[in-house]
Amino acid sequence: AQRVTQPEKLLSVFKGAPVELKCNYSYSGSPELFWYVQYSRQRLQLLLRHISRESIKGFTADLNKGETSFHLKKPFAQEEDSAMYYCALGSSNTGKLIFGQGTTLQVKP
Amino acid sequence: GAVVSQHPSRVICKSGTSVKIECRSLDFQATTMFWYRQFPKKSLMLMATSNEGSKATYEQGVEKDKFLINHASLTLSTLTVTSAHPEDSSFYICSARDLGGQISYNEQFFGPGTRLTVL
Repeated sequence: AQRVTQPEKLLSVFKGAPVELKCNYSYSGSPELFWYVQYSRQRLQLLLRHISRESIKGFTADLNKGETSFHLKKPFAQEEDSAMYYCALGSSNTGKLIFGQGTTLQVKP
Repeated sequence: GAVVSQHPSRVICKSGTSVKIECRSLDFQATTMFWYRQFPKKSLMLMATSNEGSKATYEQGVEKDKFLINHASLTLSTLTVTSAHPEDSSFYICSARDLGGQISYNEQFFGPGTRLTVL
């Protein structure tokens, strides 16, 4: 079964602390993974895609096929990073995105 | 580029009435659009895949006669909630793929959402 799991509902850190938002997936084919972010009262927007191997706003995510994980990391959290983060799995068969439950990141001053 | 709009942003209606929500791709053509429902502080639940020129594909458990989807053009999909009831109150979000311009086949661009409240 295709599934995305984000085990933490809420992650609260202080400004300047490292952040890791966990994401594990279950997929029988070759996965395509994304991180989407939803700031307060804004639409969902793409943060990272694994195929691009990019760093956006200081965030990075590495696909680990052995551990079936795609954790999102940032070495020094900023207050403006406070938002809801969703990990999503793309199904090449259907073109659908399967979303995790989401993790609220709260960065305290 | 790749902007998706939704209209209205907020609607309040009486129980038993029907409500139409529009989703438009503003600067690209979208043969496929998706409709989601989002509950407070929860994940997005895919309701259906809207295909231009053909019938929508509904996810298991979603009533197709309740949630009518029409994708009449390459830039417009509509979701009509028929005979709405208070339990239909939710945040409805659409998305689209810009196959001509995006890096990843599965990447989706999201609209701002429509808050439906049924009294």
